[in-house]
Amino acid sequence: AQTVTQSQPEMSVQEAETVTLSCTYDTSESNYYLFWYKQPPSRQMILVIRQEAYKQQNATENRFSVNFQKAAKSFSLKISDSQLGDTAMYFCAFMKQNFGNEKLTFGTGTRLTIIP
Amino acid sequence: DVKVTQSSRYLVKRTGEKVFLECVQDMDHENMFWYRQDPGLGLRLIYFSYDVKMKEKGDIPEGYSVSREKKERFSLILESASTNQTSMYLCASSYLGLNQPQHFGDGTRLSIL
Repeated sequence: AQTVTQSQPEMSVQEAETVTLSCTYDTSESNYYLFWYKQPPSRQMILVIRQEAYKQQNATENRFSVNFQKAAKSFSLKISDSQLGDTAMYFCAFMKQNFGNEKLTFGTGTRLTIIP
Repeated sequence: DVKVTQSSRYLVKRTGEKVFLECVQDMDHENMFWYRQDPGLGLRLIYFSYDVKMKEKGDIPEGYSVSREKKERFSLILESASTNQTSMYLCASSYLGLNQPQHFGDGTRLSIL
């Protein structure tokens, strides 16, 4: 079974700073997918960024980027130029490459607060 | 935009009651999921379905059942509610296929008294 670990329950940074959220996972699979989801206070969970394990290039989406280290089984999220709207719970998630059984395994989350 | 609608935002029920949580999506997604979210535990999968009338157990199916009679609707049933089922319940849906993002509803905060 896969496990996803987020070791930082809470973090806070000043607005405009850069912050990195850590995520490690454990799997025996060689092909899989990794995701970061964001859950703002009292709002819907939304996808932030995703990474295919077979791609060496790290995914980026505007101010959000990942540092994917396959050998170390690490998948950290970097938020550059942080904004107040980035305040949210962030969840790291893992999906096996198993067509027809596309369920996610989530970490326990990191509560990020952006301080004005 | 994808819309995943959960029938109630807040719900209060009594121990022993049969509770129905409803979820509807409007994007013709094949996959639908029910999660439970608890502080410090993240999201845990209860059940999922990849097609009408099909269901698969997730990580914590005990005390729950599901129904998918139509493609757009996925119901979570608490057969006999207990206080340890007090939680936030999230529904999600996605297209069939690898690397497809899941789209979430607003969640139902369920309290069992």
